[in-house]
Amino acid sequence: EPEVTQTPSHQVTQMGQEVILRCVPISNHLYFYWYRQILGQKVEFLVSFYNNEISEKSEIFDDQFSVERPDGSNFTLKIRSTKLEDSAMYFCASRNRGPLWGEQYFGPGTRLTVT
Amino acid sequence: DQQVKQNSPSLSVQEGRISILNCDYTNSMFDYFLWYKKYPAEGPTFLISISSIKDKNEDGRFTVFLNKSAKHLSLHIVPSQPGDSAVYFCAASVQGAQKLVFGQGTRLTINP
Repeated sequence: EPEVTQTPSHQVTQMGQEVILRCVPISNHLYFYWYRQILGQKVEFLVSFYNNEISEKSEIFDDQFSVERPDGSNFTLKIRSTKLEDSAMYFCASRNRGPLWGEQYFGPGTRLTVT
Repeated sequence: DQQVKQNSPSLSVQEGRISILNCDYTNSMFDYFLWYKKYPAEGPTFLISISSIKDKNEDGRFTVFLNKSAKHLSLHIVPSQPGDSAVYFCAASVQGAQKLVFGQGTRLTINP
């Protein structure tokens, strides 16, 4: 069964450093997402991406964040200068073409720890 | 942001009995609802969904009920099995919008 994969599973970085979190969505999916979950809190939407551009973003997704689909398979989230409060689980998700709403399929997540 | 609320942080059910997980929402624009299951160190796994034009959707042991007037949905699992022990999230979205809005989750424990 196809699945969303994410690398690395755990990333430790120092405050102020740049990190890139990588995702490989399900191959025939067209819509891509990043969510995060700070420990003990809800899963929160960060950004959605379709047709090589951001289609929606939350207020969390400020200028320090960017997304890219550099080739036909990878989808990346870059945090330019990490802060302590960026420590969280980051989940990538993807969705097929279909009705305007539909199931999003999530990867296993990357645990980001900022020290 | 309390648009989607799961008021029970945990629920314990005996194996073979029915598990009922509840979710309330405040945004009347939501028209699509989903349930996800999450094991530790894994991402949320899609379980079942329902659109606002229906009041019930069934898939095997899982049934989701939607009460639009009460802005309430529930997930029924019957019979409950030990492998159902996980955290369950309800999520909601608005047609045309991309994001899912999640509840806080309910930790379900199935006791043998």
